Amino acid sequence: NAGVTQTPKFQVLKTGQSMTLQCAQDMNHEYMSWYRQDPGMGLRLIHYSVGAGITDQGEVPNGYNVSRSTTEDFPLRLLSAAPSQTSVYFCASSYDRLNYGYTFGSGTRLTVV
Amino acid sequence: SQQGEEDPQALSIQEGENATMNCSYKTSINNLQWYRQNSGRGLVHLILIRSNEREKHSGRLRVTLDTSKKSSSLLITASRAADTASYFCATFRSRLTFGEGTQLTVNP
Repeated sequence: NAGVTQTPKFQVLKTGQSMTLQCAQDMNHEYMSWYRQDPGMGLRLIHYSVGAGITDQGEVPNGYNVSRSTTEDFPLRLLSAAPSQTSVYFCASSYDRLNYGYTFGSGTRLTVV
Repeated sequence: SQQGEEDPQALSIQEGENATMNCSYKTSINNLQWYRQNSGRGLVHLILIRSNEREKHSGRLRVTLDTSKKSSSLLITASRAADTASYFCATFRSRLTFGEGTQLTVNP
């Protein structure tokens, strides 16, 4: 099993550009989430999904869109990149949130200049 | 806002010593989880303790949960240099929310 795969691993964007961070899991997990990690602030939840076709906002959703058309994929779209979105982005998935932990991808390091 | 707060923010110990990290949270939860993150890598799930459990063990890890005090602790016994990492507590109730982490350094 590949687990949770995130692409790309690194990306540099110019202010105002848009892009999609890809996340795919092959474990048939219903639950998927996107987090951003900034120095000294831990991980903050951007958006999450409890199944195909169902998404909801987390703590810091502004500037980001998500969709969940399949169980496997949960892409994160930056609509118009801003320097404040410079961060490391992690995608995570879980089989059963009440009884099992999340499996994390290796992250995407994004720099907006 | 962050749900969990870890204490201490940084901890430096010698190999063979025990490491204790604490986590406090604000609202009721379904479970509390601990994760490890090596520098620049993704997070790895270590252990999950449900709200109706008080203590759980996994290898050299021992986790306690006190829901009346809204606090948890993670004990790593007989630490090794390879345990050097950041450790995060995360609370789950409809969503998984992380604290800011404890940076553990284990000196050889």
